[in-house]
Amino acid sequence: GAGVSQSPSNKVTEKGKDVELRCDPISGHTALYWYRQSLGQGLEFLIYFQGNSAPDKSGLPSDRFSAERTGGSVSTLTIQRTQQEDSAVYLCASSLEHQRTDTQYFGPGTRLTVL
Amino acid sequence: KNQVEQSPQSLIILEGKNCTLQCNYTVSPFSNLRWYKQDTGRGPVSLTIMTFSENTKSNGRYTATLDADTKQSSLHITASQLSDSASYICVVSSGYSSASKIIFGSGTRLSIRP
Repeated sequence: GAGVSQSPSNKVTEKGKDVELRCDPISGHTALYWYRQSLGQGLEFLIYFQGNSAPDKSGLPSDRFSAERTGGSVSTLTIQRTQQEDSAVYLCASSLEHQRTDTQYFGPGTRLTVL
Repeated sequence: KNQVEQSPQSLIILEGKNCTLQCNYTVSPFSNLRWYKQDTGRGPVSLTIMTFSENTKSNGRYTATLDADTKQSSLHITASQLSDSASYICVVSSGYSSASKIIFGSGTRLSIRP
């Protein structure tokens, strides 16, 4: 595709429910990143994939968060038993590889609201 | 502790004027420093990427500098335009292995007034 796409664009859920967020990276990009941007806060790194493997999961805030990537393309971020503090914009980015100078291209984000 | 601090928190300038945004970091080992522009409701867009050996990089009216000794970076915007109104985020990556850390500054919110 022309850019990174994410779905849904908005998600409202009740506390305790599970949610799944999807990211479609730019075709051919092997590196994929998930970030979170809470209201009034800076961006927070969650996890990244090189191909289908996730070398660095240290940014995931709790064991309720998990992510997977299949076929070296689409990635899903799953949040189980959502809490109100999970409310944020979840951004996905991709780059050709996980190299120091590769540009990361961001998607428009998914705005998650937990009631 | 790895940190990235940006200043000022917010800035208002008149259209056509220049401005400079600051980024100080305490990240080690240093891998690269990136400046992003983020319009309200949109994802960040990369402006510049600099590694240890680079001390200046330009992208149109945007010029970034890096002083790896003092661990400071600046983003200079020349002849500002209304479309420059956005948040500017400094991001520093740590480490050289695949398990690198990515640390974000809290951003500077820039408003350009006509």
